Amino acid sequence: EPEVTQTPSHQVTQMGQEVILRCVPISNHLYFYWYRQILGQKVEFLVSFYNNEISEKSEIFDDQFSVERPDGSNFTLKIRSTKLEDSAMYFCASRVLAGPYNEQFFGPGTRLTVL
Amino acid sequence: AQKVTQAQTEISVVEKEDVTLDCVYETRDTTYYLFWYKQPPSGELVFLIRRNSFDEQNEISGRYSWNFQKSTSSFNFTITASQVVDSAVYFCALSEGTSGNTPLVFGKGTRLSVIA
Repeated sequence: EPEVTQTPSHQVTQMGQEVILRCVPISNHLYFYWYRQILGQKVEFLVSFYNNEISEKSEIFDDQFSVERPDGSNFTLKIRSTKLEDSAMYFCASRVLAGPYNEQFFGPGTRLTVL
Repeated sequence: AQKVTQAQTEISVVEKEDVTLDCVYETRDTTYYLFWYKQPPSGELVFLIRRNSFDEQNEISGRYSWNFQKSTSSFNFTITASQVVDSAVYFCALSEGTSGNTPLVFGKGTRLSVIA
């Protein structure tokens, strides 16, 4: 069964460093998302991406964040200068555009730890 | 604005007991989708069920059942004869819109502990 994959599973970085989190969505999916979950808290929407541009973003997704689909398969989230409060689990999700349903398939997550 | 409330932060039950997880939502749209996800200790999000706003039929899947009531804006989840493997955080989520492309809004989750 096709699945969303994410690498790395755990990333440790120093405050102020840039990190890139990688996702490979399901191959025929056209809509992509990033969510984050601070430890012990709820899952929060960051950004959605369709047709090579951002469709929607939350107030969390400030200028420090960017997304890209560099090669038609990977979908990346970049944090330019990490802060301690960026420590969280980051989930990538994808969905097929067509159809009345809205099932988003989630990847296993990348745990980001900022020291 | 859309909002999902899971008032139960933590629930602890003894194995084989039934347990109901509550979810109350707020939305101004007439078309929306409701979801339940399970997050086991390993951390991934496991999709359990999706419901659209026009389908109020309750659903049963094995030991799991869902009760959707638009009159009370609730989408409750019941686990019958709970097992230790059911221990996880359960999230209710909402997505608005006819195209269904809008992001998911999650509740804060309910941590379920099933004790042997």
